[in-house]
Amino acid sequence: LAKTTQPISMDSYEGQEVNITCSHNNIATNDYITWYQQFPSQGPRFIIQGYKTKVTNEVASLFIPADRKSSTLSLPRVSLSDTAVYYCLVGDTEDDKIIFGKGTRLHILP
Amino acid sequence: DTGVSQDPRHKITKRGQNVTFRCDPISEHNRLYWYRQTLGQGPEFLTYFQNEAQLEKSRLLSDRFSAERPKGSFSTLEIQRTEQGDSAMYLCASSFSGHYGYTFGSGTRLTVV
Repeated sequence: LAKTTQPISMDSYEGQEVNITCSHNNIATNDYITWYQQFPSQGPRFIIQGYKTKVTNEVASLFIPADRKSSTLSLPRVSLSDTAVYYCLVGDTEDDKIIFGKGTRLHILP
Repeated sequence: DTGVSQDPRHKITKRGQNVTFRCDPISEHNRLYWYRQTLGQGPEFLTYFQNEAQLEKSRLLSDRFSAERPKGSFSTLEIQRTEQGDSAMYLCASSFSGHYGYTFGSGTRLTVV
């Protein structure tokens, strides 16, 4: 399982676009990049997964450069309800389990 | 199907008592996972099942912890002789094998006093 590095915390304001970058220098060929979101007193929630280039869904976009050694989660026009911890995970879909780091604590200010 | 259900949501127990938590996964999912989370930390893997077989157990898990998934459906996590250090959120998740997107429950918050 490739190790990931992401900022411990970030602050932003309502209406802004937020980009959270994750480094994963040892990513393997079969590894996917997955992001989870966790609100206080709730379990993590899967938000997006990608392998290369760009993936977009109704919640976020995920940008992955050609070397795949990093990735950026982009949240468009955030609101106060986007305040949460965001986890970047890297692994093969055949992995037995996923291992969480400490994540990035995102705080949205009014 | 309303997702992964965990019961109870909160449990307060005295040190030395045994506690049991239940998890009902999404019915089509054959994998079930237990994680533990303390304040400010990411979820920590405890154990997982594929159908009724327990395939891996974390080395961090003491012998006081035991988990079962008797019919490959719901699962229970029991902690015997609880200690204050067991206070945490216990999270259950389920997935299809080979699929990376897990669905988590809301967790059971255990407080040992």
